[in-house]
Amino acid sequence: QQQVKQSPQSLIVQKGGISIINCAYENTAFDYFPWYQQFPGKGPALLIAIRPDVSEKKEGRFTISFNKSAKQFSLHIMDSQPGDSATYFCAASYRGAQKLVFGQGTRLTINP
Amino acid sequence: GAVVSQHPSRVICKSGTSVKIECRSLDFQATTMFWYRQFPKQSLMLMATSNEGSKATYEQGVEKDKFLINHASLTLSTLTVTSAHPEDSSFYICSARDSGSPGNEQFFGPGTRLTVL
Repeated sequence: QQQVKQSPQSLIVQKGGISIINCAYENTAFDYFPWYQQFPGKGPALLIAIRPDVSEKKEGRFTISFNKSAKQFSLHIMDSQPGDSATYFCAASYRGAQKLVFGQGTRLTINP
Repeated sequence: GAVVSQHPSRVICKSGTSVKIECRSLDFQATTMFWYRQFPKQSLMLMATSNEGSKATYEQGVEKDKFLINHASLTLSTLTVTSAHPEDSSFYICSARDSGSPGNEQFFGPGTRLTVL
């Protein structure tokens, strides 16, 4: 119930294309869903986050889509650029809990 | 804003020695900090939750006597790997939760690469 399942494990997208990474969860008490971006040898950086009261949140080229009934959320990267090549982690937590539950990560490669 | 620093960024030590890693929130107060361990090409594994002024809460399977955590102020938490062995070699990352934020946002440090010879 505490797991967050992320897919795909790796993804290759052409420059200018749309990158889509999916996550699914079981615990309906989760109410905070962030996405993190991590470059090799660096710590994760908070990219964008959503709460279940909205179905979509957009910040620049990054969009989170949230489907509460399906217990799924996804990250869409529009107009993907080589600089977006990194590992992306989804996560979830619920109010009152301090810790995040992380997905397994997706290694994204954007080909020029 | 929301900057978290770690020191050192990289450390190499001999087997049997102890290593201390510092995690600081630079522009916000953090009553709660977290310590993670990450192996190559794997996800982050939470080791412990560090609460200012109280004992850390360790995840199942993490030896509290080996990984000593101290959170003495609202901006500083330290992780000490005692009697380090080669299997302790890993990437250690801390994160901090902004006490002034109503949400669960965690901000991560840049990580510390520990190599035990």
